[in-house]
Amino acid sequence: AQSVTQLDSQVPVFEEAPVELRCNYSSSVSVYLFWYVQYPNQGLQLLLKYLSGSTLVKGINGFEAEFNKSQTSFHLRKPSVHISDTAEYFCAVTQVGGASKIIFGSGTRLSIRP
Amino acid sequence: NAGVTQTPKFRVLKTGQSMTLLCAQDMNHEYMYWYRQDPGMGLRLIHYSVGEGTTAKGEVPDGYNVSRLKKQNFLLGLESAAPSQTSVYFCASTIPRRGDASSYEQYFGPGTRLTVT
Repeated sequence: AQSVTQLDSQVPVFEEAPVELRCNYSSSVSVYLFWYVQYPNQGLQLLLKYLSGSTLVKGINGFEAEFNKSQTSFHLRKPSVHISDTAEYFCAVTQVGGASKIIFGSGTRLSIRP
Repeated sequence: NAGVTQTPKFRVLKTGQSMTLLCAQDMNHEYMYWYRQDPGMGLRLIHYSVGEGTTAKGEVPDGYNVSRLKKQNFLLGLESAAPSQTSVYFCASTIPRRGDASSYEQYFGPGTRLTVT
């Protein structure tokens, strides 16, 4: 079984500051990792995903994440945030070759201060 | 393409009433899922389906039933609504192809906000 832990429920940052949203996972098998973003009153959309290959993956809106197998982490980063990045961010994991069931973390609410 | 759509967008029920949430997708996806989202708990899988006519239980199936009579539709039923089922419900779909890792992305609907009083 897999599990996902998002260490911060809320992260307040100032506009144009860098941000890191932390995610750790546990699994006894190989996994794919995802970050989804949910803007207010909307559904979830994929931000980026790690499937294989390079451990640094780039997503939409200037976000990137780094897969660290030894630390079982998949932290999300952005060098300079904008007001429009205000949203809730979910880290998720699914088992390679499984039934595509995705396990989501509890979410991190990113709030941007002007 | 409309993608994944959900009906209705909002609903208020009294305890004990029943209702059905409809999810439809026009992407010919094989797999479909129902999640509920509650504050501080992320998304939890209620039921899912890996093809027409098949369904399976997820993490929190109690109090819900599902049906997948047509490939494009996945229905979620509440037989006797309880206040604990007040939540936002999301439907998602995907078409995982063996050997194609990129196909594991799930596509989400806009959600249904349900309040049970």
